[in-house]
Amino acid sequence: QSALTQPASVSGSLGQSITISCTGLSTDPGTYNLVSWYQQYPDRAPRILITEGNKRPSGVSDRFSGSKSGNVASLTISNLQADDEALYYCCSDTTSATLIFGAGTKLTV
Amino acid sequence: QIQLVQSGAEVKKAGASVKLSCEASGYPFTTYNIHWVRQAPGQGLEWMGWINAGNGRTKYSQKFQDTVIITRDTAANTVYMELPSLRSEDTAVYFCARHRSGWWLDNWGQGTLVTVSS
Repeated sequence: QSALTQPASVSGSLGQSITISCTGLSTDPGTYNLVSWYQQYPDRAPRILITEGNKRPSGVSDRFSGSKSGNVASLTISNLQADDEALYYCCSDTTSATLIFGAGTKLTV
Repeated sequence: QIQLVQSGAEVKKAGASVKLSCEASGYPFTTYNIHWVRQAPGQGLEWMGWINAGNGRTKYSQKFQDTVIITRDTAANTVYMELPSLRSEDTAVYFCARHRSGWWLDNWGQGTLVTVSS
């Protein structure tokens, strides 16, 4: 697995929904592609939003949802709020027991 | 509560080494792996490696395979990440984070800024 590709930026209006894609997941049989999504504000540590493709840890708003199809994972944020404006990163495990991050997507609300 | 507290900012000359720490509390230290992730100024997250806090086994990104050294001290509930022979490109914020089954990182340290000057 060489790289995960995300759009550099996306934008949306308050109350709208947006989707951020993450392309480049492995399609090899036997790979798990355990995708997680993180939100990061400037000068802050990342925060987990979605695990294993579509699970929300306790405390994460149900406005955040994840999905996966083929070699593409997606993060959807519904009912956009002003404080959703942040950087979003996808991350996947690899067959080498390592992690790889996407380059990040800047969301402008 | 679960906390990962990292050591303070460092300013180093190129060629020097740095050893960062990440002290864990609020959970059984040896039962979770700890990862290191760095972020250069204005750049994205870059995964570096992880350590099994129980048995000390490590795994590194291919990029850092021959440079980074991750260790742990179970008596101190602390994980360390050493970067020998720093270069200006190593200027970044370094984060430690706890691994959860399913390959996600739930708790993160506050980050340590390492500045390398030539």
